[in-house]
Amino acid sequence: GDSVTQMEGPVTLSEEAFLTINCTYTATGYPSLFWYVQYPGEGLQLLLKATKADDKGSNKGFEATYRKETTSFHLEKGSVQVSDSAVYFCALRNTGGFKTIFGAGTRLFVKA
Amino acid sequence: GAGVSQSPSNKVTEKGKDVELRCDPISGHTALYWYRQRLGQGLEFLIYFQGNSAPDKSGLPSDRFSAERTGESVSTLTIQRTQQEDSAVYLCASSLGGGGFSGNTIYFGEGSWLTVV
Repeated sequence: GDSVTQMEGPVTLSEEAFLTINCTYTATGYPSLFWYVQYPGEGLQLLLKATKADDKGSNKGFEATYRKETTSFHLEKGSVQVSDSAVYFCALRNTGGFKTIFGAGTRLFVKA
Repeated sequence: GAGVSQSPSNKVTEKGKDVELRCDPISGHTALYWYRQRLGQGLEFLIYFQGNSAPDKSGLPSDRFSAERTGESVSTLTIQRTQQEDSAVYLCASSLGGGGFSGNTIYFGEGSWLTVV
């Protein structure tokens, strides 16, 4: 079945460091891919998404490119801030389906 | 409403009691989902509804768990004879149905924190 695998955390970075959180997926068909973020004490919210191959989703300085050839959707940010400390979830939903499948989440700590 | 609303936000219950968790999705959203998130872990899919029907109940952990949806709106997740292992945040989410378009965003509520003592 469809699945999402993301790098284990926690990831600890200093402020202004470059961030990459890896995400790979297994799916039949042509899924849409998502990154969700969960800030401390808050609910999950959509960070960005991409609905077809080679699309780039971006928001709040974060980017991820849908790479069909490597079945990946890695999350990147050029310069992280303390306020980016959160848990990040990679997710997919397949064509014709309504079920969104989530990765296990990666916790990011950013130190001042 | 403006967002997905869940109640109660916090519930402490004794082992063996039944609990009901309620979800009000965003108005007009035909798809509704329940997920469970144990402390420090990822999201575990429980069930989704398309309208009032539940095509996929595969994630319900046991027959103590059930869910229903009425009026293509409110949903209730019921846990009977609660166990300590049921302690978790129960997240509800909704999205537009969209004829199978996979790009529809799902919007989460803030969750119902359940503690079984």
